[in-house]
Formats: sequence, C-alpha cells, structure tokens
Amino acid sequence: EAGVAQSPRYKIIEKRQSVAFWCNPISGHATLYWYQQILGQGPKLLIQFQNNGVVDDSQLPKDRFSAERLKGVDSTLKIQPAKLEDSAVYLCASATGGMGYRQTQYFGPGTRLLVL
Amino acid sequence: KNEVEQSPQNLTAQEGEFITINCSYSVGISALHWLQQHPGGGIVSLFMLSSGKKKHGRLIATINIQEKHSSLHITASHPRDSAVYICAGLIKAAGNKLTFGGGTRVLVKP
Repeated sequence: EAGVAQSPRYKIIEKRQSVAFWCNPISGHATLYWYQQILGQGPKLLIQFQNNGVVDDSQLPKDRFSAERLKGVDSTLKIQPAKLEDSAVYLCASATGGMGYRQTQYFGPGTRLLVL
Repeated sequence: KNEVEQSPQNLTAQEGEFITINCSYSVGISALHWLQQHPGGGIVSLFMLSSGKKKHGRLIATINIQEKHSSLHITASHPRDSAVYICAGLIKAAGNKLTFGGGTRVLVKP
C-alpha cells in the first residue's frame, strides 16, 4: 500500500514570498491533517479535513495560511506571505475516517521549509 | 502548560540498555499514541492504547488512566532505535483532536 506522499521535500524561500505544499493521502482515507512542527517541538495541528470539508482550522493563521482539498483527495497548503517564524516541517497525515477517535494517523515524510 | 508533557527531553543510552520515556497529560483523553520520528522527518505510529499495556518486539507501552500517565519502554536498545519519540493524546474536550507532547530525543550509542 502506498503511503502518504508530500512534495516538495525541501523548500527555501525569502520572507514575504509565497509557497505551496502538496499532499496525496493514502487511497480511501477520508480524513486529512496538516501539521506544523517547529524544530524541537511536537507537531501542531493546522487544519483537519473530512473529505473536502474543513473540520477544524482553529489553529491555522488565516491571515497568511490557506488550505484546500477541493475533490476530497489530495490537498494543498499555501503560505502567503511567508515569515521567518514559518520555518518548520509541514507534515501531512491521513486516516480512514471519523473524527480521529481510535484512528491511526499515517504521516507523510514532511516538507522542510526554511524562510530566510 | 502543555496538555501533554514528556520527559526527558533528551536521553542518551549505551547499546543494550533499558530505556524509559514518560508522558503525562492533564486532560481527559480517549486514547494515547506513541510515535517515532526519524531524522528525515517522517513519523511512524508505534502504538495506540487506551488502557493497560501493549508490546511489539522490544517496545512496550503502558498507560495508567487514573494517574494520567503513560510510559514507552525500549528493551535491549540498539543504535537504530535512535529517533525522536512523541506521545500524543486524543483530547476528549477538543473533539478527540490529537495533541502532541514535545518529543524525547533518544540517542543509543554502540
């Protein structure tokens, strides 16, 4: 079974530039998560999708971050404009469905972003 | 204060030693995950447990619901066990959202 795919693996940009990350979850997984993991910390949930609908985006900085999952399959996360503090690993995870209770989340390899 | 806390933050062991990582949480949880993250960044789920104990190979995870505490043990540690180990709780009050601890960086020396 193919895992969660993410691209790019690494990205270096200057502050105030825009960047987009892509995630393709495991086939058939209805739930998709984007996490931000700053160096030395645990991941922080940015947004959770159930199919193409947003379940939780309470910790997404909506003035600069946006995410979509238009067809309920793959998803993009965008930062516009980027700030230095956005330097982090952005992890995508998927699960079979439901609200996360007793669901195993499968994580992608992450995209490492460096903002200069 | 974080809802999920781990200790120690860093741990160095000699190959063959027994390792224990602790996780405590301050809110009600539905279940607790133990995850392993290697230097490349990818995360692998090791265990999900809501009571008792689970074992997989040299890894053992236990949870005490009353004490709001969980431990991950690695027996006969090996250099390939070097990674960051993260506990994460499904927080009931937050609709079973996964909340992560800060991680424990484990280095096993040969």
